[in-house]
Amino acid sequence: EVQLVQSGAEVKKPGESLRISCKGSGYSFTSYWISWVRQMPGKGLEWMGRIDPSDSYTNYSPSFQGHVTISADKSISTAYLQWSSLKASDTAMYYCARHNEWEPIDPWGQGTLVTVSS
Amino acid sequence: EIVLTQSPGTLSLSPGERATLSCRASQSVSSSYLAWYQQKPGQAPRLLIYGASSRATGIPDRFSGSGSGTDFTLTISRLEPEDFAVYYCQQYGSSQNTFGQGTKLEIK
Repeated sequence: EVQLVQSGAEVKKPGESLRISCKGSGYSFTSYWISWVRQMPGKGLEWMGRIDPSDSYTNYSPSFQGHVTISADKSISTAYLQWSSLKASDTAMYYCARHNEWEPIDPWGQGTLVTVSS
Repeated sequence: EIVLTQSPGTLSLSPGERATLSCRASQSVSSSYLAWYQQKPGQAPRLLIYGASSRATGIPDRFSGSGSGTDFTLTISRLEPEDFAVYYCQQYGSSQNTFGQGTKLEIK
């Protein structure tokens, strides 16, 4: 069974750094891209960017370029989403999901809730 | 970046009725690389339709998708109680994937 298992909920203060993870199993991790999707409280889905774990090539939405970093460690089948300095506006649920070029996103991880509050 | 606009924002219907959800793109979606997702409260989105009209594995045939170019439609032929949720369209035909803002399907 293909699964994406994300790390647990986080509570952070503004200005702190954070890295959340997404571990793939049940498939060849380097054969599919991983995208990250943000969902702010009560709002819709926003595609943030994606990584090709085979070569770590990344592609970001202009809205998120420079604000987050997407990376992957193919040796442990894990992708990451990282912030160097969190803001209150980063409070959201973050989903990772698998896909390839010209393919829809499927499946999705269970989501990681990030809360940023002083 | 392709902007997707979904309408209506909220759709109020009763079980057994037919639901028609619209997704309009700001420019043509390449090769109908358009998907629909369903999201229920507290859950991750679930893929329903891809390639504008192909049902994903395990999706009931009351769900159907149609359209091409800039205009796409998700139709639910006869609403079941479990179909009341939020629906999103997504285009994946460019290097910048984008989602519509969602349509909430609520019980009337």
